Order: sequence, then structure tokens, then C-alpha cells
Amino acid sequence: AQSVTQPDIHITVSEGASLELRCNYSYGATPYLFWYVQSPGQGLQLLLKYFSGDTLVQGIKGFEAEFKRSQSSFNLRKPSVHWSDAAEYFCAVGNNDMRFGAGTRLTVKP
Amino acid sequence: GAGVSQSPSNKVTEKGKDVELRCDPISGHTALYWYRQSLGQGLEFLIYFQGNSAPDKSGLPSDRFSAERTGGSVSTLTIQRTQQEDSAVYLCASSFSGASPWNEQFFGPGTRLTVL
Repeated sequence: AQSVTQPDIHITVSEGASLELRCNYSYGATPYLFWYVQSPGQGLQLLLKYFSGDTLVQGIKGFEAEFKRSQSSFNLRKPSVHWSDAAEYFCAVGNNDMRFGAGTRLTVKP
Repeated sequence: GAGVSQSPSNKVTEKGKDVELRCDPISGHTALYWYRQSLGQGLEFLIYFQGNSAPDKSGLPSDRFSAERTGGSVSTLTIQRTQQEDSAVYLCASSFSGASPWNEQFFGPGTRLTVL
């Protein structure tokens, strides 16, 4: 069965610091991989996605993610966090049968 | 074009009552998903419709929950005999089908359900 694990429930970083949010998955084949962001009071917005090809993908708002097949991971990164990045981040994997992780809440300290 | 729409945006009901939540997917999207997001929780998969295939109901938490999708478009999530633990935001998403790069899910704004 497929599953998605986001090991960190809550992360706090200082503004300007780098960020890495972890995502591990279990899936029978190479899945499609996504990161979504949910800002307070907002709907989910797609940050980036990976289907094939270059394992480092660029997304909106300065985010990137790297697919590592050997580690079954798709970690999200940003070199310098802004206060407006405070939100809930969800990793999703799958094909037609998408599954989401439980989310990581990001707090940004001034 | 129009995105995924959900109605009502807010629903307050009394314990034991039945509620219906509606989702209008993006035109042309054959896949439709329902999720539940409880306070402090992540996205919990409930049910998935793909075209005319039998839906994947593996995420429904109890037999009080059911969903229909009429004509391959609009979907209704029904919760019977609501309980206070059903209070949550119910999200609907749709996507193109098939093993293609167009598998991105587009989310509606959600219905916030409060069971008193």
C-alpha cells in the first residue's frame, strides 16, 4: 500500500534561514510527487511537482525539491525563508490514487 | 476558467442530523477526491472517483459517510447522524485522469462543518 510520511509535524526557523521539509513515501512504482502549501485561511496551492527527468525541480515562491529514488524521499527546500512562508506544507504522492502526508506546520521567527 | 467550487462554505448542524456537502469539479476533470481536514490534523483521504469506475471508498471513516458522483461531474458527500468528531473542513479536489503529467489536483475552498 502506498503511504506518505512527513516526519516533522512542526518546524520553526528564523527569517532568512534555510529550510528543508522532509517527505518519504512508499509506492509500488515511481510515482508522481507534489508539494502543496496551505496558508492560514487559504486553500491548497501547488508549489511544485515531479514526474520524470531532472530530479531537482523548481517551484513557485523560490522553493525547490529533490527526488531521491534510493531514499524514497522528496524533500522540499528553500535557501532563505520569508515571514510569508509561514504555512502548512503537504507532500503528496501517487498516480491516479493520490495520497497526502499529514503536513508540516512552518513557523517563521522574526 | 472556473475552479473547483464547494457548497455550502460553512455548515452548522446539530448532533444526529444528516448533512450533504456538494462539490462541482473543474469541467473535463474525470477524477474527484474528498478529503477531511480536522483542526491540527493533516489531510485525510476519504473517497476517490475516477470516471465511471467504482469509487475507492477506502478512506471513509464509518458507514455514516457516503458519497455519490452523478453524471461524472457533481459530487455529494453525505454524513448521516452527525457526531461532534465529524467537525472539520471537508475539501474536494479534481484532476485529469490517466497516467499523465496532468494529474495535479485542484482544490476547492472547502466546507467548514461544525457539529454542535
